[in-house]
Amino acid sequence: GESVGLHLPTLSVQEGDNSIINCAYSNSASDYFIWYKQESGKGPQFIIDIRSNMDKRQGQRVTVLLNKTVKHLSLQIAATQPGDSAVYFCAEMGGTSYGKLTFGQGTILTVHP
Amino acid sequence: GAVVSQHPSWVICKSGTSVKIECRSLDFQATTMFWYRQFPKQSLMLMATSNEGSKATYEQGVEKDKFLINHASLTLSTLTVTSAHPEDSSFYICSANTRTGSNQPQHFGDGTRLSIL
Repeated sequence: GESVGLHLPTLSVQEGDNSIINCAYSNSASDYFIWYKQESGKGPQFIIDIRSNMDKRQGQRVTVLLNKTVKHLSLQIAATQPGDSAVYFCAEMGGTSYGKLTFGQGTILTVHP
Repeated sequence: GAVVSQHPSWVICKSGTSVKIECRSLDFQATTMFWYRQFPKQSLMLMATSNEGSKATYEQGVEKDKFLINHASLTLSTLTVTSAHPEDSSFYICSANTRTGSNQPQHFGDGTRLSIL
């Protein structure tokens, strides 16, 4: 089945700490994965993506890890800042849903000063 | 680049009226656009895929006669919620790809908050 969002888990961290947000995806045929950040009242904002032929990709302060064996994706944010507070969604694409995104349940990240 | 704009950002209307939401790609052409619905503290659920010049493809459980989609140009898709009722109140978000036929990130508008009284 597809990942369906219900009620969002939360993660609270102190400013300056590193944050790790996890996501379990459902479709073993998915070959493209994206992390989005959604601030209150706004649409999702692209953070970083990774294709299934990679297991790690780094951006500015962010790293995405992909473990296809257990269908797990993680987003690491270094030196988390209050401006990083938002809801973070992983999304998968590929297989029979080519071109369409399926969103994970999301995680609410709160960064305390 | 890759800016997607939605209008209006917020609309309140009476039960039974129809509401049209616009989604525009401002600096690129989008053969395909997507419409999502998001309830508070929940994830985004894909409603339909909007294809320029052809009929939209609706996800299972989404009423195509309730949610009318028109994609008449490469930069504009519209979603009309017909005879809206309070249960249709939600956050509607559109997205678009800069290219078709390949896996790539979708670019999202800032959503439309629809409140039906």
